[in-house]
Amino acid sequence: GQQLNQSPQSMFIQEGEDVSMNCTSSSIFNTWLWYKQDPGEGPVLLIALYKAGELTSNGRLTAQFGITRKDSFLNISASIPSDVGIYFCAGQLGGGGADGLTFGKGTHLIIQP
Amino acid sequence: NAGVTQTPKFQVLKTGQSMTLQCAQDMNHEYMSWYRQDPGMGLRLIHYSVGAGITDQGEVPNGYNVSRSTTEDFPLRLLSAAPSQTSVYFCASSYGAGLYGYTFGSGTRLTVV
Repeated sequence: GQQLNQSPQSMFIQEGEDVSMNCTSSSIFNTWLWYKQDPGEGPVLLIALYKAGELTSNGRLTAQFGITRKDSFLNISASIPSDVGIYFCAGQLGGGGADGLTFGKGTHLIIQP
Repeated sequence: NAGVTQTPKFQVLKTGQSMTLQCAQDMNHEYMSWYRQDPGMGLRLIHYSVGAGITDQGEVPNGYNVSRSTTEDFPLRLLSAAPSQTSVYFCASSYGAGLYGYTFGSGTRLTVV
């Protein structure tokens, strides 16, 4: 199956700093999604990307769909304490949605006040 | 709307026991899927369904059965629980072939002893 390499595995940053994380794949995806998971909860969708080269923002979050379709990155600007959590990238192949999502292993974001 | 509802939230089973994890959604989503989340492994697809009466296997289907008799419900059955099935299980649903991302339930934490 497809493999997604997400990095870094964890980040320890100061409040107010910018954050950058990325995912690379050995295969092409048609859709890239970024999720955030809080403890004891399911993942919540942050940003969805549908076209190669697409750059999309959601408040302080910005994500891009790589030109090669094999990578994506997520930036968080001016981090705040509620940004703490695990961030997952996910890729989807088919237009029929029948293949589900392939997830990265997550980036654990920890913010020091 | 309740979104995606999973029950139970927690469950402890003895090896060899069977049980059913329930998942229901009230968003009239066609697509439903089950994932398991293990430490350091991200989320992995177990089974998925593209509509009532249609199911298929994901990445890690062994030891699990599913059925989809209605649009709303997608139960996951463990036939004979094994310690390797200790995990957190998430149900997710999607409208329109996952184009708008998947909505996840809050998970079922299963321990098999």
